[in-house]
Parts: sequence; structure tokens; C-alpha cells
Amino acid sequence: ILNVEQSPQSLHVQEGDSTNFTCSFPSSNFYALHWYRWETAKSPEALFVMTLNGDEKKKGRISATLNTKEGYSYLYIKGSQPEDSATYLCAFRRGYNTDKLIFGTGTRLQVFP
Amino acid sequence: GAGVSQTPSNKVTEKGKYVELRCDPISGHTALYWYRQSLGQGPEFLIYFQGTGAADDSGLPNDRFFAVRPEGSVSTLKIQRTERGDSAVYLCASSLRGTGSYEQYFGPGTRLTVT
Repeated sequence: ILNVEQSPQSLHVQEGDSTNFTCSFPSSNFYALHWYRWETAKSPEALFVMTLNGDEKKKGRISATLNTKEGYSYLYIKGSQPEDSATYLCAFRRGYNTDKLIFGTGTRLQVFP
Repeated sequence: GAGVSQTPSNKVTEKGKYVELRCDPISGHTALYWYRQSLGQGPEFLIYFQGTGAADDSGLPNDRFFAVRPEGSVSTLKIQRTERGDSAVYLCASSLRGTGSYEQYFGPGTRLTVT
């Protein structure tokens, strides 16, 4: 059984605060790690696809790091804004021969003005 | 360009009824995926199509669930004899598999409620 775990389950921060959350995944047969942002009533939006150990990706105020040897990824949001409020999902892809994404349960972020 | 679209956005049905959920992928995307998200869970893989054929249907929970993609574009997920436990958000995604792109692009989902 492959488990992808995310923590915390939910997070409430004030506008301007920086925040981060964790995604843990199996370290064996790693192929890719995806991060998505999912706002209510919208499509999950792709943030990053990460494939290399030590990889760091950045998109505006959001960045992510990857450690495939120990099986974790961090997502950072600098200077949170109310529009960052969403559920952040990570998904693990194991091996080249499968396209199946295994998702965590997500971290629900609420940013208060 | 147009993203992945799904219809209907909401579907309420009675236990025991048959439902069909439709997915229109991004034009030109060869791969299409179905996932479902039950309350309090992350999205769970159901089935993946490459072209017209199901390349991996290992996530379909039982034989009440069936999906087709007859022309390699639009896909329909069919659920027979619905049960209350089938209530979930059904997500569809598409990708350009085989060209080096790893990304799966999602639609907004169909919220299915079985009463």
C-alpha cells in the first residue's frame, strides 16, 4: 500500500504571514511529485512537477523543494494573501510505467485579511 | 485555449439508478484519467485511457463502474445501480503523454450525490 501524507490538515494564517506544509511519500521507485492548488468550485490547478532529488521550483510567491531519498517535499508560500486560500494537494507518481497519481488528503489553507 | 470540461457539474440521483458522467479533454491530449474524491479524502485513481483503450483500470472499485472513450477524445464514466457510497466528486484529467510532459490537467469535477 502506498501512502502519501500531508501535514498539517488545515492551516489558518494572517495576510502577510509566510507558511509551509509537508508532503511525505514512499522513497522507493520514485518518478515524480506533483503539487496542485484546488480552490472551491474550480479545477485543481497544477503548480509544480518535480522529478529530481534536491529540485527546487518557484512560481511567484510559492516555492517547493524535493527530497526523494527521505521521501518528502515542502511547499512554501511567502507573504500569504487571501487569494492563496485553497486546498493544496500533492500527488506521487511511482515508476515510469504508470501514469497513476496517488494523492495525499491535502492541506486546507485559509488566509485572513 | 479551452481546458478540460466536465458535465454535469452536479448530479443528484436516487439509490439504484444509472448515471453517466462526461469528460471533454483538452484538444489533442492523448491520455485521459478519471479520479474520484470522497469526503475527507484525496483524489483516488479510477482509470486511465491512452487513446481509445483503457491502459489501467485497476482503480475501478467494482463492476458497477465502467468507462469508455470510443473515439479517443470524449470519455464517459458510467455507474450502474448507484449506492450512497458512490457519492463523491468525480474528476477528469488529460495529458500529452509520450511527449515528455508529465502534467495532468484537471476539469472542475462532477459532484455526484446518491440519495
